[in-house]
Amino acid sequence: QVQLKESGPGLVQPSQTLSLTCTVSGFSLTSYNVHWVRQPPGKGLEWMGLIWSGGNTDYNSALKPRLSISRDTSKSQVFLTMNSLQTEDTGIYYCNRNYYGYDYWGQGVMVTVSS
Amino acid sequence: DIQMTQSPSFLSATVGDRVTINCKASQNINKYLNWYQQKLGEAPKRLIYNTNSLQTGIPSRFSGSGSGTDYTLTISSLQPEDVATYFCLQHNSGPYTFGAGTKLELK
Repeated sequence: QVQLKESGPGLVQPSQTLSLTCTVSGFSLTSYNVHWVRQPPGKGLEWMGLIWSGGNTDYNSALKPRLSISRDTSKSQVFLTMNSLQTEDTGIYYCNRNYYGYDYWGQGVMVTVSS
Repeated sequence: DIQMTQSPSFLSATVGDRVTINCKASQNINKYLNWYQQKLGEAPKRLIYNTNSLQTGIPSRFSGSGSGTDYTLTISSLQPEDVATYFCLQHNSGPYTFGAGTKLELK
C-alpha cells in the first residue's frame, strides 16, 4: 500500500541546515508529484514546495532562497534541505503524495529549532 | 495566492447532530476542494476530494458540497469518533492553500 515516511533530526540549532528525507513505498516518484508541507505549533498548514514526477521543482516564494527539494528515484526518496533555520521554522514537516490534492500524507516529523 | 477562510474555528456539538463546516476561497477554485480530518497526534486523513467525492473507506455520514468560492463539509449525524480538527485544501492552483481548521468537540 501507499506509504510516505519522513525522517530527520528532531533538533536543529538556529542558523543551521535542516535535512529531511521522505521515503515512499507503493508508488513511483516518476508517476506522482510529492509535496512538502509544514505546520508550526498551534498554527495552520503551509505549503513549502514540490518535486514534480518529471523531476522539476517549485517552491514557496517566501522560502525559495533557502529551500531545496531533490530526489533519488532508485531509492524512492525525496529530500528537503533548508538552510538558515530560525525558531519560527519549528513545526511538524509532512511529505504528501499529490493526487487530486493530497491523498496520502506522511506521519510527519517534528523539528525543533533551538540552541 | 488563493486565501481560504474557514469557519467556524471551533464547534461544539452533540452526538447525532448535523454539523457543517465552511470554507470560502478568495477566488473561484472550480470545485478543486478537499476536506481532511486530523486527530491528535495523527497525520491528516482525506475525507472528501473535488468538493463531493467521498474517499474510499470514509463513512457516508460525511459529505461535501459547493461551487465557485463557497464549500461545505457536512457530517449528517455526529459520532464520538468524529472529534477531530477538520480543514480544507484548495488544489485548483499553486501554491495549494489550506483553511485554518475547525476544532470539533462533543458537547
